[in-house]
Amino acid sequence: GENVEQHPSTLSVQEGDSAVIKCTYSDSASNYFPWYKQELGKRPQLIIDIRSNVGEKKDQRIAVTLNKTAKHFSLHITETQPEDSAVYFCAASTNDYKLSFGAGTTVTVRA
Amino acid sequence: GAGVSQSPSNKVTEKGKDVELRCDPISGHTALYWYRQSLGQGLEFLIYFQGNSAPDKSGLPSDRFSAERTGGSVSTLTIQRTQQEDSAVYLCASSLMLGAGETQYFGPGTRLLVL
Repeated sequence: GENVEQHPSTLSVQEGDSAVIKCTYSDSASNYFPWYKQELGKRPQLIIDIRSNVGEKKDQRIAVTLNKTAKHFSLHITETQPEDSAVYFCAASTNDYKLSFGAGTTVTVRA
Repeated sequence: GAGVSQSPSNKVTEKGKDVELRCDPISGHTALYWYRQSLGQGLEFLIYFQGNSAPDKSGLPSDRFSAERTGGSVSTLTIQRTQQEDSAVYLCASSLMLGAGETQYFGPGTRLLVL
């Protein structure tokens, strides 16, 4: 089955700096890669996703890149703000529909 | 409109008891998923439904776990003879259709504690 690894497990950045989270996946058939943000005690919420026919996608301060050859994808948050503090999860999905999640990255933005 | 809802929000039970967790998906969503999130861990896939059918039950941790969905809407996850290692947050998600790339919307979860 699919195995998704996520790094780093924790990330502390100064407000205004960028944050980068990296994930690798094992199943070359994976074709959908969403990122979820989970604030403390709340439900995971989709913040951005990318499909395998696209190499990069951007939405305001958030961008995701995908390298299918190397089987890795990354989340980039620019100009970080305190409200970006949360746990971020990457995930990968093949045509069997279930999402395989990484272990999560706890991001802390220091004011 | 209303999002995915789950009940109860918290459940404390004694080892060996059965528990039932409920999920109400977004109205009109045909696909429904159950995940488990242990403390400080990622989400572990358990089972998904297309309508009332669950084609893949391989993610269920043991035969003490079962799930059903009736009327293409509400789903219940049942854990029989609970064990302490079952303690986790159980999350339900739904999507409009079943398919790779369909956004899954999560509920708030049920926090289960087995004493």
